[in-house]
Amino acid sequence: DAKTTQPNSMESNEEEPVHLPCNHSTISGTDYIHWYRQLPSQGPEYVIHGLTSNVNNRMASLAIAEDRKSSTLILHRATLRDAAVYYCIPESRDNNAGNMLTFGGGTRLMVKP
Amino acid sequence: DTAVSQTPKYLVTQMGNDKSIKCEQNLGHDTMYWYKQDSKKFLKIMFSYNNKELIINETVPNRFSPKSPDKAHLNLHINSLELGDSAVYFCASSPWGAGVTEAFFGQGTRLTVV
Repeated sequence: DAKTTQPNSMESNEEEPVHLPCNHSTISGTDYIHWYRQLPSQGPEYVIHGLTSNVNNRMASLAIAEDRKSSTLILHRATLRDAAVYYCIPESRDNNAGNMLTFGGGTRLMVKP
Repeated sequence: DTAVSQTPKYLVTQMGNDKSIKCEQNLGHDTMYWYKQDSKKFLKIMFSYNNKELIINETVPNRFSPKSPDKAHLNLHINSLELGDSAVYFCASSPWGAGVTEAFFGQGTRLTVV
């Protein structure tokens, strides 16, 4: 599994954009980059995933570096509800193991009103 | 309707007891998982089941025995509970097959062994 490095914590002001970085320099060519988040006292929830191209969905955008060794999750307008731990997870889709996710320490995002 | 539901939400029990945590998903997924989140908040995979069959057992002690009566249910039975088993346990599910799919997690069961 590719090792990831994320800041332990970040702060943002409400309604401002947030850029959450992740380094995954040992990522393999078949690994997708998944982002999940865990709100307080809840289970993790899927945010977004990508392989090479930048991706957008209703929750966030994912910017992937050209060499794929890093990526950035972008929340365009942070709300108080976005306060959570954000996990970057490079993972291949192994048909023998299902969608098994290897979670690291993640980044705790705090949003100030 | 909750997609992945676990019961109970909280469980407090004494060392040496045997307890079970139930998990059900109504998403029609083929694959279910159990994860453990310890006091340091690290989430680790324990088991992966596909269509009622064990796929992955990540060096979990034999005291932990998952049981899948059908593909919508994956229960976790724990024998001879120890203090170190105290954690939050999450059940999850996802479709099976080629391609990337998202996993859906339950709300977690906080187990406290005293």
